[in-house]
Amino acid sequence: AQSVAQPEDQVNVAEGNPLTVKCTYSVSGNPYLFWYVQYPNRGLQFLLKYITGDNLVKGSYGFEAEFNKSQTSFHLKKPSALVSDSALYFCAVSLTGANNLFFGTGTRLTVIP
Amino acid sequence: KAGVTQTPRYLIKTRGQQVTLSCSPISGHRSVSWYQQTPGQGLQFLFEYFSETQRNKGNFPGRFSGRQFSNSRSEMNVSTLELGDSALYLCASSLSALGNNQPQHFGDGTRLSIL
Repeated sequence: AQSVAQPEDQVNVAEGNPLTVKCTYSVSGNPYLFWYVQYPNRGLQFLLKYITGDNLVKGSYGFEAEFNKSQTSFHLKKPSALVSDSALYFCAVSLTGANNLFFGTGTRLTVIP
Repeated sequence: KAGVTQTPRYLIKTRGQQVTLSCSPISGHRSVSWYQQTPGQGLQFLFEYFSETQRNKGNFPGRFSGRQFSNSRSEMNVSTLELGDSALYLCASSLSALGNNQPQHFGDGTRLSIL
């Protein structure tokens, strides 16, 4: 079985400050990990993925994520937050790369001007 | 390149009715997955179709069904609607049935409201 936890429902950060959105996972095998972002009344937009290889993954819009196998975490980071980054962020995991993603509950990011 | 298109965007039905939602994937994409998004349960996987065959299925009752056509367009059907079926239904497409190197691209969803 696989599961994803996003421990923070809400994250507030000042514009220009670094941001981190946390995600931990549980899978019985090698995880395929993803981050998606959702803006109001829209679908999900793909940000980045970890399949294998370097633990630091770079994605769209300046986002990156660090895969930590020992802590079973895949936190999303950005060095300098923009007001336009305010949205709902979802971490997801799949087993063996299948298309049935298991999503976390989402973290609402608010960047304060 | 056009994105994933879902129709209609909004739908209002009453309990006991049935509904069909449509999804046109990105051109060339052969895998279509469906998800249900609700405030209480979050995002849940419904099923995936690839080359007109259901490849994976989530934990939903048989009232939820789907199909895929030869042009990769997909429909999902919900029969005997219940109040709890009110949700945003999202469709996602990808090039292959194995998503490891091909991320899923999502449509903007169909918001279904049950009265």
